Amino acid sequence: NAGVMQNPRHLVRRRGQEARLRCSPMKGHSHVYWYRQLPEEGLKFMVYLQKENIIDESGMPKERFSAEFPKEGPSILRIQQVVRGDSAAYFCASSPGWNYGYTFGSGTRLTVV
Amino acid sequence: GQQVMQIPQYQHVQEGEDFTTYCNSSTTLSNIQWYKQRPGGHPVFLIQLVKSGEVKKQKRLTFQFGEAKKNSSLHITATQTTDVGTYFCVPHSGGGADGLTFGKGTHLIIQP
Repeated sequence: NAGVMQNPRHLVRRRGQEARLRCSPMKGHSHVYWYRQLPEEGLKFMVYLQKENIIDESGMPKERFSAEFPKEGPSILRIQQVVRGDSAAYFCASSPGWNYGYTFGSGTRLTVV
Repeated sequence: GQQVMQIPQYQHVQEGEDFTTYCNSSTTLSNIQWYKQRPGGHPVFLIQLVKSGEVKKQKRLTFQFGEAKKNSSLHITATQTTDVGTYFCVPHSGGGADGLTFGKGTHLIIQP
């Protein structure tokens, strides 16, 4: 079992470009969560998805950010027109159901230059 | 999601000393989960507590859930350098419709 796979591990983007972060959940897990972590900060919840559905996006900025979890393929977190303040570690987690612990991926470190 | 207060925010201990972090809520929790994140790493799920007064042990780690299900604690006996990291207590609403809310956790720093 490969665990939660995130790629890329590191991503550098210039201001104004788009960033696409990918997450493949653990086999058998249908619930996916995205979190953002700034240096020396806690984890900030962004969005909770199940296959083809957004369950909770209360932590997602209203503009430039979107997430999807299609029927086939990985979950994608998309950030359009990145700004320096988007630089952070983005973690994806998965679980088999809502009442289980989360398994986290190793994260994508996004740097905006 | 539900909110809890976790203390202390930072804890320095000498290697071999014990360590405890506490989690308090003003409302009754459905259950609570604990995670550990090593410096530069990702959070790792440790345990979930569900029952009032529950006590669970994992080697040198002891987890407790209060009788009123409003507080929880993690105690580490005889800390080792591998225990370094941030420990998060994360309340679970039980509703199933929202993601978990992580606070700032307790940063454990161990001096050899």
